[in-house]
Amino acid sequence: GIQVEQSPPDLILQEGANSTLRCNFSDSVNNLQWFHQNPWGQLINLFYIPSGTKQNGRLSATTVATERYSLLYISSSQTTDSGVYFCAVVGSARQLTFGSGTQLTVLP
Amino acid sequence: DTEVTQTPKHLVMGMTNKKSLKCEQHMGHRAMYWYKQKAKKPPELMFVYSYEKLSINESVPSRFSPECPNSSLLNLHLHALQPEDSALYLCASSPSVGENYGYTFGSGTRLTVV
Repeated sequence: GIQVEQSPPDLILQEGANSTLRCNFSDSVNNLQWFHQNPWGQLINLFYIPSGTKQNGRLSATTVATERYSLLYISSSQTTDSGVYFCAVVGSARQLTFGSGTQLTVLP
Repeated sequence: DTEVTQTPKHLVMGMTNKKSLKCEQHMGHRAMYWYKQKAKKPPELMFVYSYEKLSINESVPSRFSPECPNSSLLNLHLHALQPEDSALYLCASSPSVGENYGYTFGSGTRLTVV
């Protein structure tokens, strides 16, 4: 099946800093989503972005499908941004497959 | 309504108990999913329902029994679970099975088996 790798696995930032999270995938995809899982377990959809660039406030994402990677940018980070960020893709198996996640901690 | 609602939020059950998890959506989505997530791991697919029919069972033990009574509702019946089944159970929906649709997840049921 399709492999999804995320980096870095852990990231600690000071409040106000910027960061970039990366997602690499092993095959062509038709669906790519970025999720934020809060400490209570809820998976919040940040972006549906199989290709191109999108922005939503302090967050933006870019997917370069031909090169099989996606980037999530967080600017001016806040403590409420802490949690796990997952990249998930749908490949030829038509199932949503998750990467292993990036654990983000934003310190006040 | 753009939400997937899961109940209960927390559940503690003994190994001989029978319990059910419930998931509901009113977005008109025709695909619904159960995922299992262990601590510090990504969610893993358990079952896929498409148009109220089970289309994928990822080799899940029979002590987990899914049911889709109608297009808005998805249940997961639990019986004779083991302590290693303790996990966060997530329900999701999408307009259809496949590629070009975003998935919406519920807030999950945190299950503890004692």
